[in-house]
Amino acid sequence: QKEVEQNSGPLSVPEGAIASLNCTYSDRGSQSFFWYRQYSGKSPELIMFIYSNGDKEDGRFTAQLNKASQYVSLLIRDSQPSDSAIYLCAVTEGGGSNYKLTFGKGTLLTVNP
Amino acid sequence: EADIYQTPRYLVIGTGKKITLECSQTMGHDKMYWYQQDPGMELHLIHYSYGVNSTEKGDLSSESTVSRIRTEHFPLTLESARPSHTSQYLCASSPSGQQFFGPGTRLTVL
Repeated sequence: QKEVEQNSGPLSVPEGAIASLNCTYSDRGSQSFFWYRQYSGKSPELIMFIYSNGDKEDGRFTAQLNKASQYVSLLIRDSQPSDSAIYLCAVTEGGGSNYKLTFGKGTLLTVNP
Repeated sequence: EADIYQTPRYLVIGTGKKITLECSQTMGHDKMYWYQQDPGMELHLIHYSYGVNSTEKGDLSSESTVSRIRTEHFPLTLESARPSHTSQYLCASSPSGQQFFGPGTRLTVL
């Protein structure tokens, strides 16, 4: 059973702080990793993806991947109230031509003004 | 970014009715997916397709069926709706790994 684990939260941070969201996965064959943001009542929106070990930065967002530890994280710098949402970690199942994603249950982030 | 459309956005229907949820994308993506998500709960894959005339069942058992006659179109059909089908249905498309979601259809079966 392939699993993606996330702390359900809520994770509460003050405005301007760094929010750190974590995710572990069980399938060692996974090759691609994604972070989605989902506002209440809306569909998931892709915000970051990472394929290689290390860090990937895009604006206020940094994704970090450690395949040896089967761990992926998302850092949000200068958090804003508009960042308040559920953040979903998603991982491809195995490698090769398998394009299915396994989603975590999501972490609720609340940024307090 | 994909342009992906779902209709209707909201549907309230009686038990036993046949319904089709429409999903279309304009980016020419080969891969398309249907997910079911209850409020505050996780996403469950119910169907997927990697190309025309290719469809597979997902991880969550579903009484729905899908078809993929054209690349851009991936409709989902429920032959006889039941209250247990009440949920949010999300369609997604993908050029490779990353998936882009449509706005969803919120289905209520009375």
